[in-house]
Amino acid sequence: DGGITQSPKYLFRKEGQNVTLSCEQNLNHDAMYWYRQDPGQGLRLIYYSQIVNDFQKGDIAEGYSVSREKKESFPLTVTSAQKNPTAFYLCASSPFGTGDEQFFGPGTRLTVL
Amino acid sequence: ELKVEQNPLFLSMQEGKNYTIYCNYSTTSDRLYWYRQDPGKSLESLFVLLSNGAVKQEGRLMASLDTKARLSTLHITAAVHDLSATYFCAVDMAMDSNYQLIWGAGTKLIIKP
Repeated sequence: DGGITQSPKYLFRKEGQNVTLSCEQNLNHDAMYWYRQDPGQGLRLIYYSQIVNDFQKGDIAEGYSVSREKKESFPLTVTSAQKNPTAFYLCASSPFGTGDEQFFGPGTRLTVL
Repeated sequence: ELKVEQNPLFLSMQEGKNYTIYCNYSTTSDRLYWYRQDPGKSLESLFVLLSNGAVKQEGRLMASLDTKARLSTLHITAAVHDLSATYFCAVDMAMDSNYQLIWGAGTKLIIKP
């Protein structure tokens, strides 16, 4: 079954800790994305990557970091510099370029205690 | 400015009624996507509209694209409770030397029995 997986589904973090959210896809898609969604709000782009070993900042990259060492994987680290990280995080991928249809993973809900 | 505006942002309607959600965008594009999000869940792709005049239908939902007017509509016919969700449109727009999906804020649809 092809798709996008995210783990964990729920994540609790103490203030001051870094945490890493996993995103893996077996669709052979070139581009991958991370979005943040706050309750009742739309999507905000954090980072995206069009090819391995390359990524660009989105609208709200501060306090986040990513890597793209493999085509299948695009992990997101939420650092202690992100002051209000409690949110729903969605990973997506698209076949070729950044204007293509995006396919979403199930999401990770991060709560800061 | 690259902008995608959805209206209404919130819609409460009775089962059996018809209604339309609008998605306006600020610059030339001929690729537009509609997604559905159920509460607490990820986004699911509904329609891909790739040219002027494109019309797609799935059950009680029909989406259309008018690239000259920079407008897409999502029409709901004889609404049923199961269609309650938040609906997002996303438009492929040129930004710098690249293309990006620009997202609308979402329309929360509640269908009452």
